[in-house]
Amino acid sequence: DIVLTQSPGTLSLSPGERATLSCRASQSLHSSYLAWYQQNPGQAPRLLIYAISSRATGIPDRFSGSGSGTDFTLTISRLEPEDFAVYYCQYYGSSRYTFGQGTKLEIK
Amino acid sequence: EVQLVESGGGLVQPGGSLRLSCAASGFTFSNYEMNWVRQAPGKGLEWVSYISSGGGTVYYSDSVKGRFTISRDNTRNSLFLQINSLRDEDTAVYYCARDGVGQLDGHFDYWGQGTLATVSS
Repeated sequence: DIVLTQSPGTLSLSPGERATLSCRASQSLHSSYLAWYQQNPGQAPRLLIYAISSRATGIPDRFSGSGSGTDFTLTISRLEPEDFAVYYCQYYGSSRYTFGQGTKLEIK
Repeated sequence: EVQLVESGGGLVQPGGSLRLSCAASGFTFSNYEMNWVRQAPGKGLEWVSYISSGGGTVYYSDSVKGRFTISRDNTRNSLFLQINSLRDEDTAVYYCARDGVGQLDGHFDYWGQGTLATVSS
């Protein structure tokens, strides 16, 4: 089974800074079924990025996704106060859905 | 507007059972695959189960296989999760999540607000 490992566990940045979140797969992903979600405390997750690099409806263009093979990245170009949350990557393959353990983006 | 509303959570003793429901509205429910995803308190997201649009194909995570049963009623726009032989580690918020179509296939494009199931004696 594929395991997704996210790093760092916690990222401390200030509003206006650039955030780079990593998601590494235990083996090469041979499809584009890689997504990113944002979750605020007490709320359901929200889809940000799907198919590695496509933004979901209503997601600002400061969010971008990239990567291939085993290494994937979510980039937030200029952090807004509402961006401080927990982020999860997710993969679908072989009739299974797998999440990374999450990266908490906190205000420095 | 797409809406997913879960219900049926509560406090149950170890070994007990619960039936979770998800009422869908704002889209043609019978056209979409659906899933249950859970989140233990303070922990990350864990996919639990999938069901095809017609209900004929289901998948489960290894941690719940044999104890959980997913089903749907397309005439009532409803998704269900029957949870048996509950264990302490099943304590979690259970989310109903829609599987996207096209390029969104394999991803969860809409989520409910979740229902909390607590297993404790």
